Amino acid sequence: QVQLQESGPGLVKPSETLSLTCTVSGGSVSSGSSYWSWIRQPPGKGLEWIGYINYNGITNYNPSLKSRVTISVDTSKNQFSLKLTSVTAADTAMYYCARGVSYWGQGTLVTVSS
Amino acid sequence: EIVLTQSPGTLSLSPGERATLSCRASQNINNNYLAWHQQKPGQAPRLLILGASSRATGIPDRFSGSGSGTDFTLTISRLEPEDFAVYYCQQYGSSTYTFGQGTKLEIK
Repeated sequence: QVQLQESGPGLVKPSETLSLTCTVSGGSVSSGSSYWSWIRQPPGKGLEWIGYINYNGITNYNPSLKSRVTISVDTSKNQFSLKLTSVTAADTAMYYCARGVSYWGQGTLVTVSS
Repeated sequence: EIVLTQSPGTLSLSPGERATLSCRASQNINNNYLAWHQQKPGQAPRLLILGASSRATGIPDRFSGSGSGTDFTLTISRLEPEDFAVYYCQQYGSSTYTFGQGTKLEIK
């Protein structure tokens, strides 16, 4: 059973970079056909797909966030990461990592505030 | 980008009733790569259906998915108290994934 756990700062200042890590257990980030995603949910709102990195290191991002997002993988630690630059209050959300559509982490709340 | 439109926005039903939730795509979804997720307050979403009609592991058979192309449906045959939640459809057939805006299923 694949399990995912998000980690990172819960508070980020405006204009700074949000950095989160997802640690995977029960599976390998380099396993064939796997797609590793980040999704976010502002308080009281719906889900927004941020992007993914696949087993070949290919990335795809939400066009509305593409200029600010980088997703990378660290196979030695069995982790993948999210960086979102130049954050504003609109980036305040619960951030989830997921494998494909099947497995979700519990989420981590990130607040953007000075 | 494929836009998913879910209807209704809110559905008010009683336990034991049948629920029908709709998800319409702005263009064909390749291979019917359409998933349904359930989210309860304070919890992460949980996968119910993938590939438009395949139940995920451990999902009760009162949940069923159908449809193809641009029109998809999630049906809950007889509502249990624990089924009242928000439901999202998600397409993963294109290089950029998208979610619908959600349908809230509430107790009448």
